[in-house]
Amino acid sequence: AQSVTQLGSHVSVSEGALVLLRCNYSSSVPPYLFWYVQYPNQGLQLLLKYTTGATLVKGINGFEAEFKKSETSFHLTKPSAHMSDAAEYFCAVFGTSYGKLTFGQGTILTVHP
Amino acid sequence: GAVVSQHPSRVICKSGTSVKIECRSLDFQATTMFWYRQFPKQSLMLMATSNEGSKATYEQGVEKDKFLINHASLTLSTLTVTSAHPEDSSFYICSAKVAFGSYEQYFGPGTRLTVT
Repeated sequence: AQSVTQLGSHVSVSEGALVLLRCNYSSSVPPYLFWYVQYPNQGLQLLLKYTTGATLVKGINGFEAEFKKSETSFHLTKPSAHMSDAAEYFCAVFGTSYGKLTFGQGTILTVHP
Repeated sequence: GAVVSQHPSRVICKSGTSVKIECRSLDFQATTMFWYRQFPKQSLMLMATSNEGSKATYEQGVEKDKFLINHASLTLSTLTVTSAHPEDSSFYICSAKVAFGSYEQYFGPGTRLTVT
């Protein structure tokens, strides 16, 4: 089985502040991990992914995430928030034996001036 | 590359009618397409997986007779909500992947269905 838990359904930061969105996963097989962003009434856009290799992965729009196997975590960070980062973010795990993506509950990021 | 489109983007239908949603891969051939449902302020829930030329595999709890999925070609999958009711109102999102064994999915922009 596989599952994803995103800690905090809402995160609010000031423009220019650090963004930290938390994601913990459970998987019985080595996971592939993803972060997606969703703007209102739109589909999902891939921010970044971890499959193998370097555990710190960089994505689009200045986001990055670090895969920590010992902590079963894949937290998303951005050093300096921008107003345009306000959206909902989903962490997802893909288990190769299941062939499916399982999504976390989502975290709504609010950026205030 | 890897663009997935959905049509329509929004649809309103009356209770008891059926509505069809199309999902197309525009610049690649999709061996597998997925259909997700997203309720307001909730995550995406996988409804079914469809492989070109074969019957869709539905997730537990999803009524296959209510949500008809057809994947007749490598670039088109359709979801038909039959005898729609207000509780079927939701945001439906499709995704597609290029090859068997591939892990990366490309998502469509979603279809907002409202049943009155």
